[in-house]
This record gives sequence, C-alpha cells and structure tokens, in this order.
Amino acid sequence: AQSVTQPDIHITVSEGASLELRCNYSYGATPYLFWYVQSPGQGLQLLLKYFSGDTLVQGIKGFEAEFKRSQSSFNLRKPSVHWSDAAEYFCAVGPGTASKLTFGTGTRLQVTL
Amino acid sequence: GAGVSQSPSNKVTEKGKDVELRCDPISGHTALYWYRQSLGQGLEFLIYFQGNSAPDKSGLPSDRFSAERTGGSVSTLTIQRTQQEDSAVYLCASSPLGGNTEAFFGQGTRLTVV
Repeated sequence: AQSVTQPDIHITVSEGASLELRCNYSYGATPYLFWYVQSPGQGLQLLLKYFSGDTLVQGIKGFEAEFKRSQSSFNLRKPSVHWSDAAEYFCAVGPGTASKLTFGTGTRLQVTL
Repeated sequence: GAGVSQSPSNKVTEKGKDVELRCDPISGHTALYWYRQSLGQGLEFLIYFQGNSAPDKSGLPSDRFSAERTGGSVSTLTIQRTQQEDSAVYLCASSPLGGNTEAFFGQGTRLTVV
C-alpha cells in the first residue's frame, strides 16, 4: 500500500532563513508527487508537482523540490523564507494525474521575525 | 465558476442528525474527490467520481457515509446519524481528465458534531 511520511510535525524558522521540509513515500510504481500548502481557513493550494523528467522541480512562491528515487524522498526547499510562508504543508503521492492521492500528515511551518 | 465551491463553510449538528455537504466543481472537470481532514491528521480519501464510471467508494469509513454526483457536476456528501468522530473538515477537489494536471481543492466544510 502506498504511504507518505512527513517526519516533522512542526518546524520553526526565522524569516530569511532557508527551509527544507522532508517527505518520504512508499509506492510500488513510478509515483506522481505533489506538495500542497494550506493556510489557516483555506483550502489546499498546489505548490509543485513531479510526474517525470527533471528531478528538480520548481514551483510557485519560490519553492522547489527534488525527487530522489533511491531515497524515496521528495523534499521541499526554499532558500529564503518569508513570514507569509507560515502555513501547513502536505506532501502527497498518487498513481496518476486524475486520481486519488495519499497525503502525509502535514508539517506546520512557523516563521519568526 | 472560478474555483471549487463548497457549502456550507461551517456546519454544527447534533449527534444523530443527518447532514449534507455540497461541492460545486470547476466547470468542465470530470473528476471529483472528497477528502476528510481530522484534527492533527492528514487528508483521508473518501470517494472519487470519474466521469460516468462507477465511483471509487473505497475510502468511505462506514455505511453512514454516501455521496452522489448529479449530472456529472455537483456532488453531495451525506453523513447519516452523525457521530462526534465525524467532526472534521471535509474537502472537495476536482480535476480535468488526462494530461499532467492536478486536483484543485475547495476551502472545505468544517463539520462539528455536538
């Protein structure tokens, strides 16, 4: 069965510092991988996705993620965090495009000024 | 519409009552999903509609939960005889068929069972 692990429940970083959110997945075939962000009281917004090709994918808001098949990881990174990045971040895996996703439990990001 | 619309945004109901949650997907999107987000948990898949195919109901937690999608557009998630453990945010998403696309999520319905 497919699964997603986000080992960090809560992370605090200072504004301007770099960020890396970890995501490990378990999946039997080539995975489709996603990172979503959820601000308080909001739905989920897609940050970026990986389907195939270049393993370093760029997303919105200055985020990027790197797919590492050997490590079954898809970590999210940002070089310099802004206070507005404070939110909850979810990693997800699925078998295809229009298909049900399996989500991790999320990482809550707090940004200190 | 411009995005996925869910109503109501908040719902408080008494234990044992039935509730209906509504989802209006993005126009033209053939796939529609319902997820549940409980406090401190990730998103749990509930049900998936894809065009005219039979829905994938594998995530529904009990027979108190059901969903329908009328005319390939609007969907209603019904929870009968609500229990306190049903309290959660129910999120709906839709996506086009085919291509490298993603699911677009609504803002959710926060259900509180008292």
